[in-house]
Amino acid sequence: AQSVSQHNHHVILSEAASLELGCNYSYGGTVNLFWYVQYPGQHLQLLLKYFSGDPLVKGIKGFEAEFIKSKFSFNLRKPSVQWSDTAEYFCAVRGQRSNYQLIWGAGTKLII
Amino acid sequence: EAQVTQNPRYLITVTGKKLTVTCSQNMNHEYMSWYRQDPGLGLRQIYYSMNVEVTDKGDVPEGYKVSRKEKRNFPLILESPSPNQTSLYFCASSFGGTGHTEAFFGQGTRLTVV
Repeated sequence: AQSVSQHNHHVILSEAASLELGCNYSYGGTVNLFWYVQYPGQHLQLLLKYFSGDPLVKGIKGFEAEFIKSKFSFNLRKPSVQWSDTAEYFCAVRGQRSNYQLIWGAGTKLII
Repeated sequence: EAQVTQNPRYLITVTGKKLTVTCSQNMNHEYMSWYRQDPGLGLRQIYYSMNVEVTDKGDVPEGYKVSRKEKRNFPLILESPSPNQTSLYFCASSFGGTGHTEAFFGQGTRLTVV
C-alpha cells in the first residue's frame, strides 16, 4: 500500500534559521508530489508541486523542494524562516495509477 | 474568484441527527473529494468522485454518504452521526483525467457530535 512519511511531527525554529522538512513515500511508479501549508484556522494551500522535469521545484513564499527519485524523497526547504511561516505542513503523493487519490503524510507543525 | 465553498463552517449536533455538509466549486473540476483531518493522522479521504454520477469510497467511508448529481456540487451526508465523527472536514476539487492538477480546498467544516 502507498504511504507517505513525514519525519518530524513538530519543529521549533528561531527566525532566520534554515528549514528542512522531510518527506518519504512508498510507491513504485510515476508520482506527482505536493507540499501544502495550513496556517492556523485556515484551509490547505498549495506551496509547490512536482509533476516532471527539473527535480528542484520552487514554490511560493521562498519555499523549494527537491525530488530525489532514488531515495523516494521530496524534502521541503527554506533558507531563512519568518514568524509568519508558523503553520502545519503536509506532504502528499499521487500515484498515476491510483485513481488520482492523494496520499497524505501526517503533517509537521512548524513553530517559529 | 475560483474557489471551493463549504457550508457550514462550524456545526455542533447530537448523536443520530442526520446532517449534510455542502460543497460547491466554480472551476468546472471533474474530480472532487472529501477528507477528514484528525490530529496526528493527517488527511484521510472519505469519498471521491471522478465525475457526475461517479463516486467511490476512499480510505474511511464508514458512516458517510455522498452524491454527485451536478458537476459543481458534492455534498457529504452523515445519516446517523456518532461522536467518533467529530473532526475537521475538507472538500477538495481538481481537474481529472490526463490533465490532473493539484487539489483546491474549501475552508473546512469543524463538526462536533455530542
